[in-house]
Amino acid sequence: NAGVTQTPKFQVLKTGQSMTLQCAQDMNHEYMSWYRQDPGMGLRLIHYSVGAGITDQGEVPNGYNVSRSTTEDFPLRLLSAAPSQTSVYFCASRRTGGQPQHFGDGTRLSIL
Amino acid sequence: AQTVTQSQPEMSVQEAETVTLSCTYDTSESDYYLFWYKQPPSRQMILVIRQEAYKQQNATENRFSVNFQKAAKSFSLKISDSQLGDAAMYFCAGGGPNSNSGYALNFGKGTSLLVTP
Repeated sequence: NAGVTQTPKFQVLKTGQSMTLQCAQDMNHEYMSWYRQDPGMGLRLIHYSVGAGITDQGEVPNGYNVSRSTTEDFPLRLLSAAPSQTSVYFCASRRTGGQPQHFGDGTRLSIL
Repeated sequence: AQTVTQSQPEMSVQEAETVTLSCTYDTSESDYYLFWYKQPPSRQMILVIRQEAYKQQNATENRFSVNFQKAAKSFSLKISDSQLGDAAMYFCAGGGPNSNSGYALNFGKGTSLLVTP
């Protein structure tokens, strides 16, 4: 059972480039979300999804796009990378209600 | 708005001793869940303990326990018999059926725990 799988683990981009961070879970969880973690901060919610075909914005959605075509996958797209998006990105999933979130191992993204 | 506050950026404990990490939260929801996550240098987010805010009984997981004070909106984590492997960043988080983010977690800024031999 792989849990939540994020790829890549590390990535360096140039300003203006676009890319997609992949996230897949094999636990049939309905709820998936993306967070970013910056030094001295906790994790902040970027986007989330409560089921296939349903997505919504979190606290810091600007510059990011998501889609949820299947229960398993929830990719995060950076449309035009900016240095302010340098961060560690976590994908998480959970069952309904107040169940614990299961996190991927994170993607460290640097934008030059 | 829901907020989670950790007021201790760093804490230190000697091996085999007990340490308590503080956390307060602010929400008007009664259906609320509280969590402590551990993040070692590997940056994995590891669930330590979970508490349902409508339950008075404090959650316990082996050497980890919480002191949940509902009226004070306090959710502190006690680590007993501290071990070197407990050294990590600890995050307090809370979530409820908020219409804007459907049980998404609000995180504190974290407490870095150092364990000394």
